[in-house]
Amino acid sequence: DARVTQTPRHKVTEMGQEVTMRCQPILGHNTVFWYRQTMMQGLELLAYFRNRAPLDDSGMPKDRFSAEMPDATLATLKIQPSEPRDSAVYFCASGLPTENTGELFFGEGSRLTVL
Amino acid sequence: QKEVEQNSGPLSVPEGAIASLNCTYSDRVSQSFFWYRQYSGKSPELIMSIYSNGDKEDGRFTAQLNKASQYVSLLIRDSQPSDSATYLCAVSWGGADGLTFGKGTHLIIQP
Repeated sequence: DARVTQTPRHKVTEMGQEVTMRCQPILGHNTVFWYRQTMMQGLELLAYFRNRAPLDDSGMPKDRFSAEMPDATLATLKIQPSEPRDSAVYFCASGLPTENTGELFFGEGSRLTVL
Repeated sequence: QKEVEQNSGPLSVPEGAIASLNCTYSDRVSQSFFWYRQYSGKSPELIMSIYSNGDKEDGRFTAQLNKASQYVSLLIRDSQPSDSATYLCAVSWGGADGLTFGKGTHLIIQP
């Protein structure tokens, strides 16, 4: 059963620490997205990759967030240094979007708490 | 700025009734429209997609799209307590650049 896998599922850290979240997209999907979900803002697009190339990271705070896709089976989202306002659930999603379709498959999310 | 708007609710519907969820979007360029369901503590899962004006039915779910009014809705017939969740409307603005989500409507089906 193909699915998007994210680690860690839960992370509690102190302000100023580095946090790295990992995502394994569904095999064959060429596009990977990072979303952040909070009660106030809902689901916000942070960054996405197509065929491993970064296409848009305008949703990310550039000074502390970075996203990479070192190979087709791994996408990473790093926060350094972390701040309490980064507390949220971070979702990775993958898909094969085209002009007429856009179905995304979501991982279970990484719940981050920054104290 | 392209936006997707939903009433946050909660929307309370008695079991067996029809639940009607609404969504408006800001840009006429929009190509594709999706409804995702998200249970508390879980990830969003796709339940319906619609690409052209009119109605699309799948079991108890019907999606309705009116591009002229920039409006998309989801009807759930014979509502069940298991339908209680947050429903997210999502729009693709054309191309393959991901989805913009509304903040979701919290639906409660009362037994």
